[in-house]
Amino acid sequence: QKEVEQNSGPLSVPEGAIASLNCTYSDRGSQSFFWYRQYSGKSPELIMFIYSNGDKEDGRFTAQLNKASQYVSLLIRDSQPSDSATYLCATEGDSSYKLIFGSGTRLLVRP
Amino acid sequence: GAVVSQHPSRVICKSGTSVKIECRSLDFQATTMFWYRQFPKQSLMLMATSNEGSKATYEQGVEKDKFLINHASLTLSTLTVTSAHPEDSSFYICSAMDRTYGYTFGSGTRLTVV
Repeated sequence: QKEVEQNSGPLSVPEGAIASLNCTYSDRGSQSFFWYRQYSGKSPELIMFIYSNGDKEDGRFTAQLNKASQYVSLLIRDSQPSDSATYLCATEGDSSYKLIFGSGTRLLVRP
Repeated sequence: GAVVSQHPSRVICKSGTSVKIECRSLDFQATTMFWYRQFPKQSLMLMATSNEGSKATYEQGVEKDKFLINHASLTLSTLTVTSAHPEDSSFYICSAMDRTYGYTFGSGTRLTVV
């Protein structure tokens, strides 16, 4: 059973819209949650991390965490074509410092 | 910010040969380094975790005799793919962890075995 689940997409949104990316995880002990963006052929780059229940905002990005539901999401406001990429959700377990990644959601922002 | 340098970025080797990939943390000391492998259209799969001066911990299903990891210092870890075969062709990515900077990824190495 996978530890981190994401819809593979593609999720297609028009430019300027809000893109909503979702992730569920199975390990209730997971403490930290990360969202990475990966362009084709490149390594992942960190967008945001979140530790506490609720929302965390950084510019156009908002991460939302609900530990009771084991659910974490990423909202991208005013989506731009340059946001088109694969978005990876990752968790860090409570007993080890290592990231476990979901399979990623491909986002396509249409001009 | 934290920078991790990974070399080479691309390598093509003949089947049966060995390839070494280097991962360096340039401006911080990484307590732990990680090696991931990514096949096309798939996510990053953790191969192993290494701490300076100790043996690497390999994930289930990863052959430790084939993927040799050496973490000789707090700023350098190497992954050697021994007796490479075409099925080892993949994108290999290292990551260095520090409690100040979190997880920082190298730029990746595209390995092609012919």
